[in-house]
This record gives sequence, C-alpha cells and structure tokens, in this order.
Amino acid sequence: NAGVTQTPKFQVLKTGQSMTLQCAQDMNHNSMYWYRQDPGMGLRLIYYSASEGTTDKGEVPNGYNVSRLNKREFSLRLESAAPSQTSVYFCASSEMQGLGHNEQFFGPGTRLTVL
Amino acid sequence: GNSVTQMEGPVTLSEEAFLTINCTYTATGYPSLFWYVQYPGEGLQLLLKATKADDKGSNKGFEATYRKETTSFHLEKGSVQVSDSAVYFCALRRNSGNTPLVFGKGTRLSVIA
Repeated sequence: NAGVTQTPKFQVLKTGQSMTLQCAQDMNHNSMYWYRQDPGMGLRLIYYSASEGTTDKGEVPNGYNVSRLNKREFSLRLESAAPSQTSVYFCASSEMQGLGHNEQFFGPGTRLTVL
Repeated sequence: GNSVTQMEGPVTLSEEAFLTINCTYTATGYPSLFWYVQYPGEGLQLLLKATKADDKGSNKGFEATYRKETTSFHLEKGSVQVSDSAVYFCALRRNSGNTPLVFGKGTRLSVIA
C-alpha cells in the first residue's frame, strides 16, 4: 500500500496563476482532508470530504476549491494564487464515519511558493 | 469550540534527558486525543492516542495519559534520543459525528548528543 500520495512535491507559482494539488489514497477510506501548515500556526483545515460526493469548509477555505473526484481522490485547486498561500499543504484520509478515535493518515506534503 | 493548546518550543534537550511536552484542550463532550510526530521533510504520523478518560497511550517509549479533570494530555518520555528530534502535535477529535482533527501549533524538539 502506498497510503496517501500527493503530487507535486514542490511548486513555484506567480501571483494570479492557478494550479491543482492532487491527492490519492489506497486504503479505501471514506473521509479525506486538506490542511495547510505555516510556521507557528500548526495545521489548519482548509476543506474536507466526509464521504464521496460531499465536501465541507474548514477553518481557512477562502481562495481554495476542492473536488472529491471519487473515493480515492481529493484535489485542491487554487484559482488565482496569492503570496499568502505560500505554505506546505498536506492531504489526509481516515476510515469510517462517526468514530472519533480513528486516526488520520497523512501524505508527504506539497511545498508551494507563490511569488 | 474545540481547541488545543500546547507548550511553545523549541525544546532542546541532551540525549537521555526526560521529556515533557504539555498539552491542554477545550472541547464539548469527551473527545479522543492524539499525539502526532513530524520528522524533518515528512508528513505527520500518529505517535499515540487515547479515546477515553484515564486511558494511557504509549508507543516508542512515549506515553500520555488522558486526564479529564485537568483537560490535559501531556507527552512524556523517560530518555530521549537524537532520533526523537521532530515536531510534535497534540490533537483532538470529537467522538460523535465525522469531524476532522483539531491540532495544536506544534512543539519542535531538538535532542543533542
């Protein structure tokens, strides 16, 4: 099992450019998540998908859109990148709905720089 | 709302020293509690967890006990190694409904030989 995979690993954009971060998991998990990690801020939730066909906003959704393409894949799109979106982005997944003790499994991250 | 507060770092220790990283939480109901670790250049991975009051999670020599009375989940290790150098995140998750993890801001630990 590859677990949670993310592409690309690194990306540099200019202000105003768009891009999509890809995430896939092979653990048959129902739920998937996108976080951003900034120095001194910990991880903040951008969007999540509790199950295939549903998406919900997290703590910092502005400037982002998501698509739950199927059970395996959950993409994050920046339509018009801004320097404030420079960050490390992590995708995660977890099993089963309604069970709080299930852990979330994380991908290796995408390091994005917006100039 | 739900939140997690953990001690600010960085924390620098000598090898074989005792480690404590404090974590307290605010939550409605009784959440599950987690410690995640992030090694340099990697994603987060679960270190240990506890799902109810008085539970003790343990892994790789690390321990944390779910204390409902003090709303705390402090991470401890009796003798740290250089390989324990990483960022440690305390997190909680509600036990009802399918809600995401809520993280603390992380504590960077550096262990020197």
